[in-house]
Amino acid sequence: DQQVKQNSPSLSVQEGRISILNCDYTNSMFDYFLWYKKYPAEGPTFLISISSIKDKNEDGRFTVFLNKSAKHLSLHIVPSQPGDSAVYFCAASAFPNEKLTFGTGTRLTIIP
Amino acid sequence: DVKVTQSSRYLVKRTGEKVFLECVQDMDHENMFWYRQDPGLGLRLIYFSYDVKMKEKGDIPEGYSVSREKKERFSLILESASTNQTSMYLCAILGDSNQPQHFGDGTRLSIL
Repeated sequence: DQQVKQNSPSLSVQEGRISILNCDYTNSMFDYFLWYKKYPAEGPTFLISISSIKDKNEDGRFTVFLNKSAKHLSLHIVPSQPGDSAVYFCAASAFPNEKLTFGTGTRLTIIP
Repeated sequence: DVKVTQSSRYLVKRTGEKVFLECVQDMDHENMFWYRQDPGLGLRLIYFSYDVKMKEKGDIPEGYSVSREKKERFSLILESASTNQTSMYLCAILGDSNQPQHFGDGTRLSIL
């Protein structure tokens, strides 16, 4: 039972445009959400997080939006750069210091 | 800066062998995790540990065991390796309160 789902396995976006990556979850106990970025042959690196008391969190070019009623979150990258090409995972937990449940990942390709 | 070191980047073993994957952290973090990453399946939690000599099963513990004799070292053991355990294995630590999980660079394990 996949509690965190990323329904788009891949996404291609022109350099300079906006990249939008989506994530849905089913467990209503999840209150803390994160996005990780992963290059081949490297471990995932933390990008940005959001807790359920907020509906938006911004860090530079990265913004995460949370719609708790729809059990949906999205990551916006503006403007997209070639170095953003990677696999992106969303993850969720009930509390910040708890084990994470990860989605299946979306491979983002930025076209120069 | 937190450092999580996995002993091997690439490993090739044979079916039936006992395989040890080592993970070492350079800080005094209590929580350590082992995941495997497979295409289309994302990151799945195998085992985790909240302290020395303590371990908890994750979502896919079958065929694996772990050892945590010292706080800085968390070992994943494949008791009798099988081809379906060919995967990328990722170790992570959980830092201080509200800090996200931090990953090592991974071990790509091939079982022939």
